[in-house]
Amino acid sequence: EPEVTQTPSHQVTQMGQEVILRCVPISNHLYFYWYRQILGQKVEFLVSFYNNEISEKSEIFDDQFSVERPDGSNFTLKIRSTKLEDSAMYFCASSYRQGDSPLHFGNGTRLTVT
Amino acid sequence: GQQLNQSPQSMFIQEGEDVSMNCTSSSIFNTWLWYKQDPGEGPVLLIALYKAGELTSNGRLTAQFGITRKDSFLNISASIPSDVGIYFCAGNSGGYQKVTFGTGTKLQVIP
Repeated sequence: EPEVTQTPSHQVTQMGQEVILRCVPISNHLYFYWYRQILGQKVEFLVSFYNNEISEKSEIFDDQFSVERPDGSNFTLKIRSTKLEDSAMYFCASSYRQGDSPLHFGNGTRLTVT
Repeated sequence: GQQLNQSPQSMFIQEGEDVSMNCTSSSIFNTWLWYKQDPGEGPVLLIALYKAGELTSNGRLTAQFGITRKDSFLNISASIPSDVGIYFCAGNSGGYQKVTFGTGTKLQVIP
């Protein structure tokens, strides 16, 4: 069964550094998302992306965050200047269409900011 | 913002027992989803519900989309040790498929 893949599985970075988290969504999916999960908490929406532009974002997704689909297969999340509180699991998800097409998640990237 | 509350927060059950957990919302959803998350992994979709009143099964799992569209439950019958994990409900109220996740129910199965 096709799956969403994310790299790296674990990223350690120093406060203030830039990080790029990478995702390869399922190939025929059109909608892409980033979610995050702080340890022990629920999964929180960050941003959705469709037709090469952001379609919705949460209040968490501030100017330090950006997303990009640089080619036909990758979907990236960039954090420009990481803060300690950015430490979390970051999940990429994709879906085929709106409405009756559920989200499929990758296994996440654990980001640790020191 | 939209809030999804799950209950119970955690539960310990004996292997072979049936389990029931539910999810309530402060607002209406068009879609209800149930996911399971194992430690260190991403949420895995268990069941998707698209119509109010819909009852759907997936093996030993059964879920229902409440008539009011503000709640859903998940039942697991004859639990086994690999059912251990955190179960999240999630709702979608339309738009670009953003889903809101519930607070999670942590399930422990005692062999």
